[in-house]
Amino acid sequence: AQSVSQHNHHVILSEAASLELGCNYSYGGTVNLFWYVQYPGQHLQLLLKYFSGDPLVKGIKGFEAEFIKSKFSFNLRKPSVQWSDTAEYFCAVTRRISFQKLVFGTGTRLLVSP
Amino acid sequence: NAGVTQTPKFRVLKTGQSMTLLCAQDMNHEYMYWYRQDPGMGLRLIHYSVGEGTTAKGEVPDGYNVSRLKKQNFLLGLESAAPSQTSVYFCASMRSGGNSWGYTFGSGTRLTVV
Repeated sequence: AQSVSQHNHHVILSEAASLELGCNYSYGGTVNLFWYVQYPGQHLQLLLKYFSGDPLVKGIKGFEAEFIKSKFSFNLRKPSVQWSDTAEYFCAVTRRISFQKLVFGTGTRLLVSP
Repeated sequence: NAGVTQTPKFRVLKTGQSMTLLCAQDMNHEYMYWYRQDPGMGLRLIHYSVGEGTTAKGEVPDGYNVSRLKKQNFLLGLESAAPSQTSVYFCASMRSGGNSWGYTFGSGTRLTVV
């Protein structure tokens, strides 16, 4: 069974600091990869997604992620975080041949202090 | 366009009571999903449906039942609620097709079983 690991459970940063959140998946086949964000009290929103092509994916709000196939990783980055980026971030994976089930990581809670 | 609507938004149940959570989508999506979100565990798939009249088990189906009698509705039932089912429940639906693929999430139902 495929699984997703997010090694950073809690991250605290000051505004303007750079962010990198790790995500590794276990499935060896072709996958689709996603990062979702959940602001306090809200539902999940899609930040970005990777299906194929350029492994560097740009999403909304200045976020980007890089797919490194050899490392089974899809790390999320942002050069300069803002207080409004305080949220929980989830990496998710689904198999390319089947879009039926999205498997989530356990999430990383990011706190950005002003 | 409402997207994915979940009702109710909040509910408190006593142990042993039953209830049904409703998920409705107006986007003509084929696939629908029920997830539960618990602290430190991310989102875990309970049941899903790939079309009207079909359902399938996810990672944590025990204690839940589902029905998809109409394409736009996906119901999640708890026959005899237990405190372990205290959670936030999210419904999602999916459209298919190339790079436009993506999930749409509802705003969640916060359920407390006492």
